[in-house]
Amino acid sequence: DAGVIQSPRHEVTEMGQEVTLRCKPISGHDYLFWYRQTMMRGLELLIYFNNNVPIDDSGMPEDRFSAKMPNASFSTLKIQPSEPRDSAVYFCASSPGGTGSGAQYFGPGTRLLVL
Amino acid sequence: AQSVTQPDIHITVSEGASLELRCNYSYGATPYLFWYVQSPGQGLQLLLKYFSGDTLVQGIKGFEAEFKRSQSSFNLRKPSVHWSDAAEYFCAVGLYGGYNKLIFGAGTRLAVHP
Repeated sequence: DAGVIQSPRHEVTEMGQEVTLRCKPISGHDYLFWYRQTMMRGLELLIYFNNNVPIDDSGMPEDRFSAKMPNASFSTLKIQPSEPRDSAVYFCASSPGGTGSGAQYFGPGTRLLVL
Repeated sequence: AQSVTQPDIHITVSEGASLELRCNYSYGATPYLFWYVQSPGQGLQLLLKYFSGDTLVQGIKGFEAEFKRSQSSFNLRKPSVHWSDAAEYFCAVGLYGGYNKLIFGAGTRLAVHP
């Protein structure tokens, strides 16, 4: 299996621009998670989906952030407009459903720099 | 509230020495516990997990962890550290089984001296 795939791996943009991060989860996994990692705040869960439906978006910082999962193999995290404080590494992770599993498998991350 | 504490921000060990990374959690129900490792510029890789049963769990890369309910701890150990183990290590507790929410500790950065 190819694992969780994220693109782009690096993104540099200017304040006010729209940024779209992409994620392809592991095939067959029912759960998809978006995290943000910064030095100051560590790893933060932004939102997660179950069977393509958003379940908990309480970690999304503000209305500038939005996430979608149009099908089981693709999700996007969009920031519009971007701000310098959004600079971070954004991880996507997926997890199989059912009992007894629970482990989340992470992608390599997208390193975002907003100038 | 649920939380995970990793008391050591930085640890330095010599290659070949033993290692123990500490993790304490606060969670009212039976915990699902995980250790992840993150190498520089990489995503998080699952080392091992505990759901139930034997409290000593074996993982990849020669790591093991022991769940101690009385101490609310899930410490990670390795008998002999290799230079390639230098990385950041995260302990996490899973809510409702872990496949919906993980609460991560702040991480412990491990340096290995030759």
